[in-house]
Amino acid sequence: AQSVAQPEDQVNVAEGNPLTVKCTYSVSGNPYLFWYVQYPNRGLQFLLKYITGDNLVKGSYGFEAEFNKSQTSFHLKKPSALVSDSALYFCAVRDQTGANNLFFGTGTRLTVIP
Amino acid sequence: GAGVSQTPSNKVTEKGKYVELRCDPISGHTALYWYRQSLGQGPEFLIYFQGTGAADDSGLPNDRFFAVRPEGSVSTLKIQRTERGDSAVYLCASSLNEQKNSPLHFGNGTRLTVT
Repeated sequence: AQSVAQPEDQVNVAEGNPLTVKCTYSVSGNPYLFWYVQYPNRGLQFLLKYITGDNLVKGSYGFEAEFNKSQTSFHLKKPSALVSDSALYFCAVRDQTGANNLFFGTGTRLTVIP
Repeated sequence: GAGVSQTPSNKVTEKGKYVELRCDPISGHTALYWYRQSLGQGPEFLIYFQGTGAADDSGLPNDRFFAVRPEGSVSTLKIQRTERGDSAVYLCASSLNEQKNSPLHFGNGTRLTVT
């Protein structure tokens, strides 16, 4: 079975400060991990993914995420937040040897305060 | 380029009615997925197509829900005898192939309201 936990429903950060959105996962085998962003009344937009190799993954809009196998985490980060980063963020996981569907967390709402 | 297109963007229907939701994937994408997103929740998997066939329909909640993809491109999600609990945003996504490292590309969704 696979699962994703996003422990924070809401994250507030001041513009210009670094941001972190947390994600932990559980899979039977090895994971493929993804981050998506959702703006109001829009579908989910792909940000970045971890497949294998370097634990630090860089993606769109200056976001990056760090895979930590021992802590089963894949936290999303950005060095300097923008007001336009305010949105709903979803972490998702696929088991490399399991079912094909992508399993999502419940989302974290990020608010960047001017 | 064109992304995943879903129509209609909004659908209001009465309890007991039948509805069809359409998804037009990115050209050349062989894998197509349907998800359902309720308020305050993450997307929940419904069904996955590889080509014309449903490779995994384990997420369909009951036999009122059915989906087709007859020519391996456009897909239609069909809901019979709608219930108020079916109200949600229905998201369609496509990916280049069935490989698990391929990201899903989502449409903007169809907001279904059952009154």
